[in-house]
This record gives sequence, structure tokens and C-alpha cells, in this order.
Amino acid sequence: EAQVTQNPRYLITVTGKKLTVTCSQNMNHEYMSWYRQDPGLGLRQIYYSMNVEVTDKGDVPEGYKVSRKEKRNFPLILESPSPNQTSLYFCASSGQGAGEKLFFGSGTQLSVL
Amino acid sequence: GIQVEQSPPDLILQEGANSTLRCNFSDSVNNLQWFHQNPWGQLINLFYIPSGTKQNGRLSATTVATERYSLLYISSSQTTDSGVYFCAVGRGGKLIFGQGTELSVKP
Repeated sequence: EAQVTQNPRYLITVTGKKLTVTCSQNMNHEYMSWYRQDPGLGLRQIYYSMNVEVTDKGDVPEGYKVSRKEKRNFPLILESPSPNQTSLYFCASSGQGAGEKLFFGSGTQLSVL
Repeated sequence: GIQVEQSPPDLILQEGANSTLRCNFSDSVNNLQWFHQNPWGQLINLFYIPSGTKQNGRLSATTVATERYSLLYISSSQTTDSGVYFCAVGRGGKLIFGQGTELSVKP
């Protein structure tokens, strides 16, 4: 089944403790991206990747890192999480460098205490 | 950056009614998509439609790129259509989402 898989589904952590949210897709898509969704602010793009070893900042990249070493994986790294990073995070992928339908993972609800 | 406005922000319909959702954007784009977020939070892609018209069952969408707007039509609405509808626009890999239209379909 074609899908975008995020893990974990829920995560509670404390300020300053490094964490990684994993994202994997099995559709051989070139394009992958990360978003956060907050009440009243909607969905905002954090980072995107047009292909392996190519990443770019979205609208809200501060406090986040990403890497794209393999086509299928695009992990989101919070090296020193803070409470303002408490949010619902979504990973997504599409083919042809974002020129096709975007498919989303199921989301990761992160709480930073 | 590109600004995206969706209207109306909220909509309540009786089952079987039709509706039109609008997405206005402030600059030229080569990527425009419509999504439905269901009450469980899942985001489903409805259309990739940077220009032209597409139909999928009871849903159809039209984008007039030269006038910088897109419309999503829902016909014969069902309770399962409830949720939030987002449009997203962009160029290259950047994607900007509108604030969404929250639709509630009553039986």
C-alpha cells in the first residue's frame, strides 16, 4: 500500500531533550516536506526537500533540522525542543519535485513540557 | 511572500445541499492543491489543480490562474464531507496553506 509513515504518533518530552520524528515513504517520491499545524495559524511549512541531499527552508525553519540521505526517508530533528514547538506535525511527499498530488502522513502530536 | 485567503471561514449545510469554496492568492503560482482534513485529523488530497478544471465524483475544482483564484464545488453534500478544506499554493518546493473553510454537514 502506498503510504507516508510517521513515527511516533504521539510524543511527550521535556525542554532541551533532543528528539527525532521519522518520516518514510514507499512511493519513490522525489519531494518530501514537513509542516506544523497550530490552532489559529493553520499549516505552515518547516522544511522541504526536492531530492536526495537537497533541502530548503520553508516558512518556519527556526529550531528544526532535517536531512535527506536516502530518497525514502526525511527525518525531522529538534535538537533542543522548547514549549513553543508543541504542535501537530505532518510529513508529506509527492513526485516530480512537488509537481503532483501531495500525500500526507498521519501526523505526530508533540508536547514539549 | 504569497498570501492565501479562503472563504467562507465556516459553512453549515443541510445534507444534499451544494456549496462553493473559494481560494484567492496574491501572486503567480505553479502549484495549487485542495485538501480535506477529516474530524480525525487526516489530510486527504482532493485535487492537484494549478490551472483548469477537474472533477472527481461529487467534487470538482476550477483554477483561473490569470485571475489568481480557485474554486472547490461540493455537490449533494453528505455528512462525511464535514471537516476542514484547505487550499495550498506555491512555486518550486514552497507551499503556503490558507486558513481553511470549516464545513459542517447536518443530517
